[in-house]
Amino acid sequence: AQTVTQSQPEMSVQEAETVTLSCTYDTSESDYYLFWYKQPPSRQMILVIRQEAYKQQNATENRFSVNFQKAAKSFSLKISDSQLGDAAMYFCAYRSAYAGGTSYGKLTFGQGTILTVHP
Amino acid sequence: DSGVTQTPKHLITATGQRVTLRCSPRSGDLSVYWYQQSLDQGLQFLIQYYNGEERAKGNILERFSAQQFPDLHSELNLSSLELGDSALYFCASSLGTAPNSPLHFGNGTRLTVT
Repeated sequence: AQTVTQSQPEMSVQEAETVTLSCTYDTSESDYYLFWYKQPPSRQMILVIRQEAYKQQNATENRFSVNFQKAAKSFSLKISDSQLGDAAMYFCAYRSAYAGGTSYGKLTFGQGTILTVHP
Repeated sequence: DSGVTQTPKHLITATGQRVTLRCSPRSGDLSVYWYQQSLDQGLQFLIQYYNGEERAKGNILERFSAQQFPDLHSELNLSSLELGDSALYFCASSLGTAPNSPLHFGNGTRLTVT
């Protein structure tokens, strides 16, 4: 079974600075998708960024970018020019791409990292 | 707004009781997923439906059951409730079952068992 580990329970950053959230995962599969979700106090889960394992290029969405290291099974999220609205719990998630497998379709989440943004 | 609607937002009930959580997926989405979020277990996948049929099962207890109706809304039934069932229950929907089909989450139902 796949597992996702976020080793940083809490992180903090000053407004306008850059912060990196870590995520590692364990899988024997070669084809999968990785995601970062944000959960603000409103508790809704919001998709931040997505990475396909077969793509070597790191995904970028405005101020959010990832560092995907497939061999190391590492998937970190970098938030540049941090804003107060970025304060939230961030979850790393894995999704298998193998149809018919027991893990197909479901998202496996890490434990989450609480990000605090200081003005 | 994700377009996924969950009702009720909050639910307080006693041990041993039964409750039903409801989810209306985003318009056009055929897949519905249920997740449980608790402090000790984190976010756990419970079950997935696609166009009315069960597609995948996760760590769902036998006391829990779910279904997806012809109009595609879904219900999660929790029975013989225990204190440990207190959690935030999320519903998510996606267009299909492909892994590149993004999940859209509702705002969750907060269940408190006393």
